[in-house]
Order: sequence, then structure tokens, then C-alpha cells
Amino acid sequence: GAVVSQHPSRVICKSGTSVKIECRSLDFQATTMFWYRQFPKQSLMLMATSNEGSKATYEQGVEKDKFLINHASLTLSTLTVTSAHPEDSSFYICSARGSWGVNTEAFFGQGTRLTVV
Amino acid sequence: SQQGEEDPQALSIQEGENATMNCSYKTSINNLQWYRQNSGRGLVHLILIRSNEREKHSGRLRVTLDTSKKSSSLLITASRAADTASYFCATGSNQFYFGTGTSLTVIP
Repeated sequence: GAVVSQHPSRVICKSGTSVKIECRSLDFQATTMFWYRQFPKQSLMLMATSNEGSKATYEQGVEKDKFLINHASLTLSTLTVTSAHPEDSSFYICSARGSWGVNTEAFFGQGTRLTVV
Repeated sequence: SQQGEEDPQALSIQEGENATMNCSYKTSINNLQWYRQNSGRGLVHLILIRSNEREKHSGRLRVTLDTSKKSSSLLITASRAADTASYFCATGSNQFYFGTGTSLTVIP
């Protein structure tokens, strides 16, 4: 299967600072990338969908100014958590799909554990 | 919410036994997918079943789909300790919406 790399795997930051998480497709061009958030022992909640070169589409209840998403190239999307607070601590996971279209599988990164202290 | 529900929430079995997990969803679908997540890791795609399919096999996995009941099941046969993980169903054509997940523990 295709490979998606997410970095960093773990990050600890101070309250009020911003954190950037990268999601890269290593062996395919990711026309669409997705960002999810997962709380302990819970399911994945879709935060936003981004298509290369255009603005991300955010799910209801997700703050656009809080979670900045950039999908500037076909192999890289970034999620920046701005002015992080302890309640932003969570597991963030990206996934990507190539040009093979919808109704197919997506490939997931390994996730980033964010802890805000 | 488009999120589906899975049951049981947790399942503990002995190695060699079969494990069955169920997923119910709310909207009409084009396909349903099952994913596996090891603790603190990303998701791995297991199998995709299309809305016009009723059953699909992949190795020790068997997935069924009943669109009239808006439900699907995942059966893992002859379970192994390495199957210990959380299993999620997902619906959606472009964006995926995940079920609540089943935490499976296979005891050696």
C-alpha cells in the first residue's frame, strides 16, 4: 500500500504556543488529505478535508483559526494548532488519498500525540 | 452526526477463537470499510465492501454487509495474539466517518 508519513510522532508544547504537524505522502501524489482528532479510547473525529492548492473544508464545530491547514503541494499537508491550550491535547492523525478517486481506501499516517502543558 | 456505532465496545477472547464485531451506520452508503488501529498508532486498511456486495473475504477476515439493516460485521477467524487492536468501520465516499470502534484483546 501507499505510505503516509506524519511528523512529529510526539510533541509537548507550552500553553499559548503554536505547533505544526506535517503529513507527507511518500510514494504517491495526495490530491486530498484529511485530518482527524482522536481522544483516548474514542473514535476518530474528522476535522477537515483539504485539496491541494485550495482552502480546507472544516467540519462543523472545528475552529478554522485554531486549526490551520495548508495543503500547498501534492505530497505535503500541514496542521498548525495555534495558541495551544491543554484541552487541545489529543492524538492527531492524517490520511491521504491519491488521484485514484473516491470510494477507495485512504492511507493513514502514524499519528501525532500532542500534549500541551 | 454521521458517526456509526460498533458493538461490542470491547471483546476479549482466547487465541484460536473467532471474533465478531458489528457496525451500524445511519446514512445510505456506496461502500463501507474496516480499519485496524494498534494502540497509539495510525490506521491500517483491512477491507472495503461495496454497497452491492453482501460478503467479502480476505485471508482470515470475513465482512458482511446488510444495507437494508444498515449494518456490517467483521469476523476474524482463528484469532492470534497479534490481532489485539481496535477495529473501526468507516463510511463515506470521500471523507470517512468512523464508528465508535471495538477494542479486541486476544489472550495467548
